[in-house]
Amino acid sequence: EVQLVESGGGLVQPGGSLRLSCVASGFMFNTYWMTWVRQAPGKGLEWLANINQDGSIYSHVDSVKGRFTISRDNAKNSLYLQMNSLRVEDTAVYYCATDVNGGYFDYWGQGTLVTVSS
Amino acid sequence: EIVLTQSPTTLSLSPGERATLSCTASQSLTSYLAWYQQKPGQAPRLLIYDASKRATGIPARFSGSGSGTDFTLTISSLEPEDFAVYYCQQRNWPRTFGQGTKVEIK
Repeated sequence: EVQLVESGGGLVQPGGSLRLSCVASGFMFNTYWMTWVRQAPGKGLEWLANINQDGSIYSHVDSVKGRFTISRDNAKNSLYLQMNSLRVEDTAVYYCATDVNGGYFDYWGQGTLVTVSS
Repeated sequence: EIVLTQSPTTLSLSPGERATLSCTASQSLTSYLAWYQQKPGQAPRLLIYDASKRATGIPARFSGSGSGTDFTLTISSLEPEDFAVYYCQQRNWPRTFGQGTKVEIK
């Protein structure tokens, strides 16, 4: 069974940092592109970043470029999102997902909530 | 950035009725559009990709159509579990989603 389990969310002050993790199981993690998507409370979905199978190709949406960094460790079947200089508007549930067929999101984790507040 | 506009914002229907949801893109996507279903407190679920291909395990009552800038998700006969929010998504960079259509029980 495919599973993606996110962790690392929590309450952080504006300007702070968090590192989100996503542990994968039930499929060959090192053969998939992976992606991060977030959803602010009561709002829609926003794609943030993706990364290729070996971590050599990655991209970030402009709204987080320079503040967030996607990475992966295939030996640990893990995907990461390092988030720096956090803002109140970064408050959201953050999901990891497999990125398939050129850019669709097939399997999703349950999400981890990040709250940025003083 | 490609903007996706979904209509209507809310669709009020009864079980057994047909649901028709629209997604309009600000520029041509050829056929590269997906649809997702999201229920409260859950992650989205991929329903349709490449405009008309059903994802694994998705019931046949869900169908997608369209190309270019205009796309449609049709649920032929609503089941109780289909009442949810539906999002369209395009795969050009940066990936973007529509704002969602809520299908609610009338």
